[in-house]
Amino acid sequence: AQSVAQPEDQVNVAEGNPLTVKCTYSVSGNPYLFWYVQYPNRGLQFLLKYITGDNLVKGSYGFEAEFNKSQTSFHLKKPSALVSDSALYFCAVRDGRGSTLGRLYFGRGTQLTVWP
Amino acid sequence: NAGVTQTPKFQVLKTGQSMTLQCAQDMNHEYMSWYRQDPGMGLRLIHYSVGAGITDQGEVPNGYNVSRSTTEDFPLRLLSAAPSQTSVYFCASSNRNRATDTQYFGPGTRLTVL
Repeated sequence: AQSVAQPEDQVNVAEGNPLTVKCTYSVSGNPYLFWYVQYPNRGLQFLLKYITGDNLVKGSYGFEAEFNKSQTSFHLKKPSALVSDSALYFCAVRDGRGSTLGRLYFGRGTQLTVWP
Repeated sequence: NAGVTQTPKFQVLKTGQSMTLQCAQDMNHEYMSWYRQDPGMGLRLIHYSVGAGITDQGEVPNGYNVSRSTTEDFPLRLLSAAPSQTSVYFCASSNRNRATDTQYFGPGTRLTVL
């Protein structure tokens, strides 16, 4: 079965510092990985995805993610955090095969707080 | 282009009542799905549809029904509400049922069952 893990429930970082939100995955077959962000009382917004190709994926709002096949990780990064980046971040993997083709499996989420 | 819309935004039900959560998309997407979000558990798939007339169960389908009579609409029905169904419900859609396709989410419905 496909699954993702977000080992940190909470990440705190000062504004202007780099931030990393961690994600590891377990899949059978090729990994199709996504990051979403959820602001308070809002729906999920798509940030970026890895399908194939370059291991560094660039997305919305200055975010990027690094795919590492050997470590089965897909960490979300930003060089300089903003207070407005404070939100709940979800890593997800979409199933690429079999009877569960297309299903999206989410991690539990990481609450990012950026302090001014 | 409104994307994925959901109504209502908030709803309070009593145990045993039934209701329908509405979801619509204007992107001509074939794939639509319903998730529930509970604290500390991420999002879990309830039901999904790969096209009009085709639906299937996800991880947590019990207590919910769906139908897909048109490409645009994918309503979720709670047959007899229970307190365990208190949650935030999200509808999502993607162009096709391919692993490479991005799913886009609606704003959610916050449901409380008393």
